[in-house]
Amino acid sequence: DIQMTQSPSSLSASVGDRVTITCRTSQSISTYLNWYQQKPGKAPKLLIYAASSLQSGVPSRFSGSGSGTDFTLTISSLQPEDFATYYCQQSYSNAYTFGQGTKLEIK
Amino acid sequence: EVQLVESGGGLVQPGGSLRLSCAASGFSFSSYAIHWVRQAPGKGLEYVSAISSNGGSTYYANSVKGRFTISRDNSKNTLYLQMGSLRAEDMAVYYCARENSSSSDAFDIWGQGTMVTVSS
Repeated sequence: DIQMTQSPSSLSASVGDRVTITCRTSQSISTYLNWYQQKPGKAPKLLIYAASSLQSGVPSRFSGSGSGTDFTLTISSLQPEDFATYYCQQSYSNAYTFGQGTKLEIK
Repeated sequence: EVQLVESGGGLVQPGGSLRLSCAASGFSFSSYAIHWVRQAPGKGLEYVSAISSNGGSTYYANSVKGRFTISRDNSKNTLYLQMGSLRAEDMAVYYCARENSSSSDAFDIWGQGTMVTVSS
């Protein structure tokens, strides 16, 4: 299975800050990398697919980049509703493994 | 409305069995591969199993292989996960999720989840 390594595992930031979360894979996956947001007690929500494509309805302050083994999720200006846990996922090969998550907390 | 709704979770003893269901509505269920993903209390997302649109191909994580069986009934728009030989480490919220080939196979629709508790 492809291993996913997210960093940092937690992050404290303030409203208005620009934040970046990194995901690294154990082998090249082209751009088969997706990002999800999860709030407590809720199902994950797709934010970004194919490394950089914004899912319909997701605010443009979210963006993704990368290819091969290194990827980033950037939130350009944090809003109160963005404090949540973020997961990367590869959809290159079975199993579609997830990163361990990054918990974004209010500073 | 496009949605997935899980059911069937509950309390089961170690070694016991349980069958989860995932009912789809608002889209052509038979056109999509569907996956199961679980989340233990306070932990991250763990991939569990997948089934192709026609049910002809299945995949299992090593942690559940030989104990869980995924299936689907496209005439009923329903996905199933038959879980056996349950262990404490299987305790989690189980989500079903739709794979969208138009979105790089990302999971664009998720159910609300159903909780499985394994305890004596």
